[in-house]
Amino acid sequence: DLTQPPSVSVSPGQTGTITCSGDRLGRKYVYWYQQKAGQSPQLVIYDDKKRPSGIPERFSGSNSGDKATLIIAGTQAMDESDYYCQVWDNGIAYFGSGTTVTVL
Amino acid sequence: QVQLVQSGAEVKKPGASVKVSCKASGYTFTDYHIHWLRQAPGQGLEWMGWIYPNSGATRYAQKFLGRVTMTRDTSISTADMELIPLTSDDTAIYYCARVPSSAAEIDSWGQGTLVTVSS
Repeated sequence: DLTQPPSVSVSPGQTGTITCSGDRLGRKYVYWYQQKAGQSPQLVIYDDKKRPSGIPERFSGSNSGDKATLIIAGTQAMDESDYYCQVWDNGIAYFGSGTTVTVL
Repeated sequence: QVQLVQSGAEVKKPGASVKVSCKASGYTFTDYHIHWLRQAPGQGLEWMGWIYPNSGATRYAQKFLGRVTMTRDTSISTADMELIPLTSDDTAIYYCARVPSSAAEIDSWGQGTLVTVSS
């Protein structure tokens, strides 16, 4: 099971932090997906901390112990979305329950 | 550019089947796994399984074993997902997505197909 907080509120320009907790999570690669309202998910972080081409530098990730973290530095209104963490375990994909980031 | 274009919305009755198609373009279809996921209304993402177009190999999530079939037609770069029998709990948006054969990130998603199961 991957546990995420249901919601996170961030003021514009501030740093938002989304956690994903799971047993020995640090032993697996973690992937993060952003899903804006009414849209398909989009990969924002892979292999714990790598950013795909086109993803702003303000998105970063880390993973250690039992917790992975997605950090949005200098949060913008456009970052308001649902965020899901994901891992692979024995070829099966597991997703966190998602975190709604509100920018206000 | 990479595109995964899915078939249109479906309305089905309980007990029926649904087949969702996913047409790939902009890349070599056989070099990437196609995964299927779904998202019930207001809920999170649920992984259903994958097909490797190169070989036709599949792997399904335990929950869907016996109910889901994933196929592909490499001549038209299309993957299909069929689910039967449907219940109201299968009402969801179904996504196809691709994963590089040599990696693990889902790097491109289809636009989603809404399947509504209602009597």
